[in-house]
Formats: sequence, C-alpha cells, structure tokens
Amino acid sequence: EVQLVESGGGLVQPGGSRRLSCAASGFTFSSYSMNWVRQAPGKGLEWVSYISSSSSTIYYADSVKGRFTISRDNAKNSLYLQMNSLRAEDTAVYYCARAIDFDYWGQGTLVTVSS
Amino acid sequence: EIVLTQSPGTLSLSPGERATLSCRASQSVSSSYLAWYQQKPGQTPRLLIYGASSRATGIPDRFSGSGSGTDFTLTINRLEPEDFAVYYCQQYGSSPRTFGPGTKVDIK
Repeated sequence: EVQLVESGGGLVQPGGSRRLSCAASGFTFSSYSMNWVRQAPGKGLEWVSYISSSSSTIYYADSVKGRFTISRDNAKNSLYLQMNSLRAEDTAVYYCARAIDFDYWGQGTLVTVSS
Repeated sequence: EIVLTQSPGTLSLSPGERATLSCRASQSVSSSYLAWYQQKPGQTPRLLIYGASSRATGIPDRFSGSGSGTDFTLTINRLEPEDFAVYYCQQYGSSPRTFGPGTKVDIK
C-alpha cells in the first residue's frame, strides 16, 4: 500500500524557517517524481514544487522561488521542503504528492506563519 | 503560465442526476496532461482522471473525462451521495503546474 506521511508543520514566526518531510513507503520511491502542493485555509490547491526521480529536474512556483528548496533522499525514501523567509501567506496545509499526475497524496501537515 | 478556469463555480444537483464540469485553459495543454481531483471537506484530494480521459485506479466508471487542447470536461453520471464534493482540474504538461479554482457540487 502506497503511503505518504508528512511531518514538520507547526507555528513559525514571519521571516522564520521550517523544514517539512514526507516519508514514503509501499512503492519504489526512487522511481517516481514528487511534488509539494499547499492549500491555504478555506482556499483551493496551489502547486508549490516538483522534483524528478533523480533530482535532476526541479521546478518551483513563482510565489516560493528563492525562498523554498525541494530535495529528496532516495536512500531514505524521503522528500523534503526547506522553507525560508516565511510569510503569513505561506500559511497552509502542505501535501506531498507522488508522480507527474499526483496519483497519491499524503494527509498533509499544517504550517502557520504568525507572530 | 497556463491559467485554468472552471465553470460553474457551484453546481446544485440531486442524487441520480448527471454533473458536467468544465475546465478551460488559457493555452493548449501539452499532450492532454490534464487531471481531475475530488476533495471532500477535511479530506485529501483524490485523483479521478489523468491524461484528460483515463480513470485512476479504483475510480467508478460513472466518472469520465474528455477534451483536448484548451477545453476539458468531467462528467459524473448518476450522482451518488458520496460524489458531492469540490472538483479541481490541473495541468501537468508544463511548469508551473496549475490548478483551477474548483467547482463545488452540492446537493440541491
């Protein structure tokens, strides 16, 4: 069974940093590209970042470019999102999602940016 | 950036009726890399359709997707009580990947 479990969310002050993790199991993690998607409270879905299976291709949404860094460790079956210079508008549930067509999603982790 | 527009914003229907949801792209979606997701309150989004018309694993055949280029449609035949939810389209053929704003299907 495919499982994606996010962690690392919490309350952070504006300008602060946070690192999210996504632990994958039930499939060959190193064979799949991965994504981060976020959803602000009561709002729609916003794609954040993409990383290919080998980390050779990485994309970011303009809203996070230069502040967020996606990475992965295929030996640990883990995906990461390093978030720096956080703003109030980054407050959201952050989901990791598998593959180019987002076929499996984790349950999400809430990041709240507030003083 | 490809902007996706979904219509209508809200669709009020009764169980057993057919739902027709539209997704229009501001430019052609590469290789029909268009997906549809269902999200119920408090739940994670679920992939319904990928490649514009292919049903994801375990999705009932009352869900169907069609379209190409800039115009895409999700059809739900014979709405079941569990189908009342928000539906998002998304293109993954180019970066940035983009989602539509969603269509809420609620009970009339």
